[in-house]
Amino acid sequence: AQSVTQLGSHVSVSEGALVLLRCNYSSSVPPYLFWYVQYPNQGLQLLLKYTSAATLVKGINGFEAEFKKSETSFHLTKPSAHMSDAAEYFCAVSDLGGNQFYFGTGTSLTVIP
Amino acid sequence: GAGVSQTPSNKVTEKGKYVELRCDPISGHTALYWYRQSLGQGPEFLIYFQGTGAADDSGLPNDRFFAVRPEGSVSTLKIQRTERGDSAVYLCASSLGPPNSGNTIYFGEGSWLTVV
Repeated sequence: AQSVTQLGSHVSVSEGALVLLRCNYSSSVPPYLFWYVQYPNQGLQLLLKYTSAATLVKGINGFEAEFKKSETSFHLTKPSAHMSDAAEYFCAVSDLGGNQFYFGTGTSLTVIP
Repeated sequence: GAGVSQTPSNKVTEKGKYVELRCDPISGHTALYWYRQSLGQGPEFLIYFQGTGAADDSGLPNDRFFAVRPEGSVSTLKIQRTERGDSAVYLCASSLGPPNSGNTIYFGEGSWLTVV
């Protein structure tokens, strides 16, 4: 089974600063990778996904993530944080042999004005 | 419908009671999933349907939990003899095809279950 590790359960950045949320996965075979965002009292919304095309993936709201096979990582970044980015972010993985998506425990992003 | 729809959005029930949670997936999506999310945690897999059949029910915690999808569209998650530990948000999701093909899963807003 896959496992997904999100380092840092809470991240705080100043408005306008770089956002970096970390995600590492366990599979030796490149999987499919996703980032989801969850605003308070709402469902999960897809930010972006990697499916073996370009390693740098651009998503909604200015977010992007880079797949690095050698590091088994798929970190999420945004050059300049907005107040509206405050939310919970989840990294997820699915693979060729699986029947499910595996989620990390999430990173709560706080943006300080 | 336009998105995954879940009802009820909130449910408070007494310990020991039976509960049903309903999910209406995106039209045309053959794959349907149930996840459970506790406070401060990521979604935890419960069950995956491909069409009418449960392709993987390995995440159901015990035999008090059961789910059906009789016509390959709407699904119902059934919880018998509820316990306080069952309190969580139950998330339904759907995708156009199976998860091992890179399909995106789309989530509903969840059913918040509180067992008192």
